Amino acid sequence: GENVEQHPSTLSVQEGDSAVIKCTYSDSASNYFPWYKQELGKRPQLIIDIRSNVGEKKDQRIAVTLNKTAKHFSLHITETQPEDSAVYFCAASGRNRLAFGKGNQVVVIP
Amino acid sequence: NAGVTQTPKFQVLKTGQSMTLQCAQDMNHNSMYWYRQDPGMGLRLIYYSASEGTTDKGEVPNGYNVSRLNKREFSLRLESAAPSQTSVYFCASSEPRLAGGYNEQFFGPGTRLTVL
Repeated sequence: GENVEQHPSTLSVQEGDSAVIKCTYSDSASNYFPWYKQELGKRPQLIIDIRSNVGEKKDQRIAVTLNKTAKHFSLHITETQPEDSAVYFCAASGRNRLAFGKGNQVVVIP
Repeated sequence: NAGVTQTPKFQVLKTGQSMTLQCAQDMNHNSMYWYRQDPGMGLRLIYYSASEGTTDKGEVPNGYNVSRLNKREFSLRLESAAPSQTSVYFCASSEPRLAGGYNEQFFGPGTRLTVL
């Protein structure tokens, strides 16, 4: 089945700097790649997603890029703010399920 | 709209006890899912229901059963709880794309379960 890996596990950035999280996936048939944000004690919530027919998607300070050849996709957060501190999960569509990565802790230092 | 709701929010069980976690959604979604979340392990799929009347095993189904009671409700049952089932359980729902494939999954608030 689909296997998704996320790197790095923890990322600390100064407020105002950019944060980049990269995920790799194993199944070349995967065609949907969402990113979820989970604040401490809260439920995961979708922040952006991309489908395999698109190489990049932006929503204000957040962007996702997809490289199908290399089978990796990345989340880019620009002008980071303290409220961006959270755990971020990437996922990829497998045969019958979404396969989630193990998550990245992002800490924005004021 | 309440979205996806789960009960209870917290539960403590003794080894061998049974319980049912309840989940309901009011978004008229066809697909529903149960995940468990353990530290450093991400979200792992336990069972899912692609549509009313169907259920299928996910990545970690052992020790669990599910019931898709109707389109709105999807319950998860632990027949004989074990300490290894201590976790946070999330229910989610989504509406598959007409042409096949995935759309956003909406998550419930979670149930924090401790098995002693």
